[in-house]
Amino acid sequence: AQSVSQHNHHVILSEAASLELGCNYSYGGTVNLFWYVQYPGQHLQLLLKYFSGDPLVKGIKGFEAEFIKSKFSFNLRKPSVQWSDTAEYFCAVKSIGGSQGNLIFGKGTKLSVKP
Amino acid sequence: GAGVSQSPRYKVTKRGQDVALRCDPISGHVSLYWYRQALGQGPEFLTYFNYEAQQDKSGLPNDRFSAERPEGSISTLTIQRTEQRDSAMYRCASSARGAGRSAGELFFGEGSRLTVL
Repeated sequence: AQSVSQHNHHVILSEAASLELGCNYSYGGTVNLFWYVQYPGQHLQLLLKYFSGDPLVKGIKGFEAEFIKSKFSFNLRKPSVQWSDTAEYFCAVKSIGGSQGNLIFGKGTKLSVKP
Repeated sequence: GAGVSQSPRYKVTKRGQDVALRCDPISGHVSLYWYRQALGQGPEFLTYFNYEAQQDKSGLPNDRFSAERPEGSISTLTIQRTEQRDSAMYRCASSARGAGRSAGELFFGEGSRLTVL
C-alpha cells in the first residue's frame, strides 16, 4: 500500500529563514505529487503539484518543490519565510495507472514562523 | 456553487445516534472524495465517486460508514450507531477531472467537525 512520510511534525523558524520540509512516498510506479497548505481556520488549499516534466515545480507564494524520483522524495522549499506562512503543510501522492484513484496524505508538518 | 460546501459545520451527537454529513461539490466536478482527519493527523482517505459511481470505498473503517452520490452531485456520508472514536473532522473534496486519470486539483470544503459524546 502507498504511504507518505513527512519527517518533521513541527518546525519553528524566524522570519527570513529558509525552509525545507521533507516528504517521501512509497510507490514504485508513476505518481502525481502535491503539497497542500492549511492556514489557521481555513480549509486545505493547493500549494503546488507535479505531474510530469521539469522536476522543479514552482507554486504560489514563493514556494517550490523538487521531485527526485530516485529518492522517492518531493521536498518543499522556500528561501525566505514570512510570518504569514504559519500553517500546516501536507504532502500528498496519487498513483497513476493502478487500481487506486485516491490521494494519500502525509501526517502534516506544522510550521510556526516567529516575527 | 463557488466552492465545496459542507454541512453541518459542527455536529455534536450522543454515542449510538446516526449522523449524516452532506457535501455539495463545485458545480460540474466529476469526482468527489471523502476524507477523515483526526487531530494531529493528515487527511485519511475514506471513499470517492466518479459521477454517481462509488469507485473506491476501501478507506471506510467498517460497515457503520456508508456514502452515496445518487445524482452525481451532492453526496452524503452516513455514520450509523456513532462511537466516540468517530469524532474527527470529515472533509469533502471535488475535482474537475476523472480520478482514474492524471489528477486535477482537489478543492476542499471547510469540513464537518463531528464530536461524539
